[in-house]
Amino acid sequence: AQSVAQPEDQVNVAEGNPLTVKCTYSVSGNPYLFWYVQYPNRGLQFLLKYITGDNLVKGSYGFEAEFNKSQTSFHLKKPSALVSDSALYFCAVSLNAGNNRKLIWGLGTSLAVNP
Amino acid sequence: DGGITQSPKYLFRKEGQNVTLSCEQNLNHDAMYWYRQDPGQGLRLIYYSQIVNDFQKGDIAEGYSVSREKKESFPLTVTSAQKNPTAFYLCASRGAPGNQPQHFGDGTRLSIL
Repeated sequence: AQSVAQPEDQVNVAEGNPLTVKCTYSVSGNPYLFWYVQYPNRGLQFLLKYITGDNLVKGSYGFEAEFNKSQTSFHLKKPSALVSDSALYFCAVSLNAGNNRKLIWGLGTSLAVNP
Repeated sequence: DGGITQSPKYLFRKEGQNVTLSCEQNLNHDAMYWYRQDPGQGLRLIYYSQIVNDFQKGDIAEGYSVSREKKESFPLTVTSAQKNPTAFYLCASRGAPGNQPQHFGDGTRLSIL
């Protein structure tokens, strides 16, 4: 079965330290990979995506993610965390199957950045 | 500004009542989606539509209905058959090509009276 796993329900990091939010996937074919962020009582905001090419993808608000095909991972990273980064983060995968597509979502990781 | 508007932000349903959640987008996107979000369960797809006058069931369509009469609008009706409707409902849209991200509205929180 196709799936996306975010192995950590919660990640805690001190402000100014680097952060990593993990995502692994199990799908057939060549996936498109996405990261989104959600603040309380708001919709999801798109951060970045991997389609093809360079394995290191840069996105909004200083976030980046590294695609690793052999480990089927797409971990989200930021060199220096801010308190305002505290939010819920979702990884999603879409199969390269033309224009008719759905996303497979991870269950989310709650990031807490402590001052 | 272009975006997705969901209304109302908060909605209360009485027993045996149908309620309709509005979703409007001015992004000129063909594809639209409805998700349900419960704590700890991530996003679950209710219905999606790739084009006007066509829609498909998602993973949890029972107790819900939709219509897609206009490109801009994709309303979701939560029927009385949905026995546990309390949740946060999110609408999204996506433009072409297929590698584009989905854009989300700010959600409607539905509760039971």
